[in-house]
Amino acid sequence: GESVGLHLPTLSVQEGDNSIINCAYSNSASDYFIWYKQESGKGPQFIIDIRSNMDKRQGQRVTVLLNKTVKHLSLQIAATQPGDSAVYFCADLYGNKLVFGAGTILRVKS
Amino acid sequence: DAMVIQNPRYQVTQFGKPVTLSCSQTLNHNVMYWYQQKSSQAPKLLFHYYDKDFNNEADTPDNFQSRRPNTSFCFLDIRSPGLGDAAMYLCATSGPRGIPATNEKLFFGSGTQLSVL
Repeated sequence: GESVGLHLPTLSVQEGDNSIINCAYSNSASDYFIWYKQESGKGPQFIIDIRSNMDKRQGQRVTVLLNKTVKHLSLQIAATQPGDSAVYFCADLYGNKLVFGAGTILRVKS
Repeated sequence: DAMVIQNPRYQVTQFGKPVTLSCSQTLNHNVMYWYQQKSSQAPKLLFHYYDKDFNNEADTPDNFQSRRPNTSFCFLDIRSPGLGDAAMYLCATSGPRGIPATNEKLFFGSGTQLSVL
């Protein structure tokens, strides 16, 4: 029969608060990392990326932190808004192969 | 304007009836990917093309095939769909040069939601 889907972890935050979403990756040779936002019924939407020679990169309201020692990525969203509610995935690229990590559901409470 | 276009948006097929999903791109990217995404799960890479070179993932079932007749188009063929193949199928492309403003180098289509009856 069909396998049971994994339950994604959920992060609930109050509107206006900062959000931190974490992700672990497994391939120590990966050199490029991306955060995606995915809303229901849509394809992943690019948020921000970072190369392995950096440990921090900032965008508009978002910051990505990379810790290569422990193979960990985080996405920080400042002043979280209701429109930020979605599933967030990290992905790592090695060569031409883009592999997604487990996602996190972000729920923003008004 | 959409740069990675997937058709159809929704596809319903019968158990065991072959189905083809299509993806086209206007970016002239040399890499095209197909992902399967089941409910509440991360997208899972099925295979990708680097130009005409086909790269299959080791755990992709033989039931899934792909064709890339030219740079712009890539097809996903499911030879005998089972109930467990019901999922969102995502196409993505990547190229060596992204949009300078965002550094974005990979682009996803909106996906095709496949139902198997």
